[in-house]
This record gives sequence, structure tokens and C-alpha cells, in this order.
Amino acid sequence: SAVISQKPSRDICQRGTSLTIQCQVDSQVTMMFWYRQQPGQSLTLIATANQGSEATYESGFVIDKFPISRPNLTFSTLTVSNMSPEDSSIYLCSVGAGTNTGELFFGEGSRLTVL
Amino acid sequence: QQQVKQSPQSLIVQKGGISIINCAYENTAFDYFPWYQQFPGKGPALLIAIRPDVSEKKEGRFTISFNKSAKQFSLHIMDSQPGDSATYFCAAAGGSNYKLTFGKGTLLTVNP
Repeated sequence: SAVISQKPSRDICQRGTSLTIQCQVDSQVTMMFWYRQQPGQSLTLIATANQGSEATYESGFVIDKFPISRPNLTFSTLTVSNMSPEDSSIYLCSVGAGTNTGELFFGEGSRLTVL
Repeated sequence: QQQVKQSPQSLIVQKGGISIINCAYENTAFDYFPWYQQFPGKGPALLIAIRPDVSEKKEGRFTISFNKSAKQFSLHIMDSQPGDSATYFCAAAGGSNYKLTFGKGTLLTVNP
């Protein structure tokens, strides 16, 4: 299994500002993903963070709103830009156990509240 | 279009009882079916998973039953304990796009 650390664990932000969430993994991983979990809801995949290239975004999510960096195989950042109250969610970093296994490990999440 | 349908949305069980959560999927390319357990303030953690070559998998008090023809799978928690109180998510993956699709979750409460 992988140990995934996310920062910040929680934050309260003002409307219109941006916040960057960091994800650090204790080992090199190929597959790294960012999920959103709105209050009381399921997990929705935002994007796949690709090392050395642009992230792959799911339908409904765009790079301008959720820019992602992946400078190496152990680290990634997700920025939530120009935040509104609708962006209040838990943002989860996850890594795959291997290619095409489907098994994911999750960080503890970053809980964002936008006022 | 929701590809994995989970029910019930919430479930209350007495200590020692059996908790049953059901999921149904649509995409016949799915070939990996995990269950995740999430406690408040924590990220989801893999609980148990099954592939369609078997109809049942058991790990301790947790069992997955899988019905390929009906495209359904379920989680059974035997001798449910208050410590099992959590949100449970079923998921599925497979095909050329091997990304997990999650159900909407079931909030399980086990009363002492």
C-alpha cells in the first residue's frame, strides 16, 4: 500500500480566491488521480495527473478551473481557482496500485469551505 | 448516466445483525468490483474486492456476492459491530478506460 499525505487537511477560503492542495506519496507511482467528494455525496473523478504532461480531465472539469501539476512520480498539486461556495467539497488525492488493477489508495482529503 | 447504482442510501442495523448493501452495474466491460469503507474525516479505504471469475469472496466478517448474469454484486457484513458504522461505497472498473466508477454510498449505522 502507499502512504498519501495531503496538505492542507482543511481550509476556509473567500469567494474569488484560489487554493492549491498538495499531495505527497511515499513511493513512486504511475497513476495519480484527483477526486471531489461533495457533502454527503459520492466520489467524482476530476482528472488524472500525468507525470511530465498535461493532466487528463473528466467531463465537466476544465484546466482553467482545476489546474494540476505533476512534476515527478511522488508529488502532485491541484489548484481550485476563482472559488465559489459551490466548490466547497473534500478533495481527495489517490494513487493506483498498478496499471489496470482498479485498486486505489486515497489520502485523507482536503476539506475546503468557501464563504 | 449513473453506471453503478447502490442501495440503500442508509441502513441501521443492530449489533450482531447482518448488514447488506447492494449494487448494480450496466457496463459489461467492468471486471473489477471493490468496496470502500470511509469513516468521517478520513479518505476511503479498500475493504474487499472481487473479479467476475468467482461468485463469492469472503474476508473475515465481510463477504462479496457477485451475480454476473444479473450484473449485481452485494456486500454482506456478518455480526455487525458499532465500529463498522461508516459510509460504504461500491465501485467498478474495466475495459480500455480502467478508472473506478463509484456508487453513491451507503451510510451504515450499527446500534449497540
